Amino acid sequence: DTAVSQTPKYLVTQMGNDKSIKCEQNLGHDTMYWYKQDSKKFLKIMFSYNNKELIINETVPNRFSPKSPDKAHLNLHINSLELGDSAVYFCASSQWVGYGYTFGSGTRLTVV
Amino acid sequence: AQTVTQSQPEMSVQEAETVTLSCTYDTSESDYYLFWYKQPPSRQMILVIRQEAYKQQNATENRFSVNFQKAAKSFSLKISDSQLGDAAMYFCAYRSTFFSSGSARQLTFGSGTQLTVLP
Repeated sequence: DTAVSQTPKYLVTQMGNDKSIKCEQNLGHDTMYWYKQDSKKFLKIMFSYNNKELIINETVPNRFSPKSPDKAHLNLHINSLELGDSAVYFCASSQWVGYGYTFGSGTRLTVV
Repeated sequence: AQTVTQSQPEMSVQEAETVTLSCTYDTSESDYYLFWYKQPPSRQMILVIRQEAYKQQNATENRFSVNFQKAAKSFSLKISDSQLGDAAMYFCAYRSTFFSSGSARQLTFGSGTQLTVLP
């Protein structure tokens, strides 16, 4: 069983489109995250949810909207995609108290 | 806010030799966690080793060990007997403990070191 699963793994889309990336974890963790890895491989936090409550919302364009229907799911919706949105997006989960972090396998988004 | 610095964008090592990757960090917290993650071309983020700041003993996992210098805020990774499969991007990362921050506890990453293993 995959602990943190993201779908899709690859996403190629045109500028201006709207797309979603889904993330699910079966570890019983109470906190989930979205990270963006740019072309230089730098990893930066975008959002974090703890028990379905948004707790981190870094400086990210309003076109990005996370949604957490329950503790096991955290989806990322992106409106009006731009070329600069091309990156790898990682979902991760952890327990609020503790150190463990588990990453999904990433979604490579390419905007053309 | 915490920052993590990896000053070596690229490193190379001969197979079976030893290599050390550097990491420094800046924080005002007294308790925290430090990590090394490995990202091979498959892009999966793989935990290599973890250190808890309140523990003075350096962590070790098989061929991987760290040199944790809390006062110097330094956290280097030593890979012994390097293997071809160790070739990857290595990231140093910092995480607050619950009791240190009480709130935002995301992983803060360094910029990474690309390790090449030469046969």
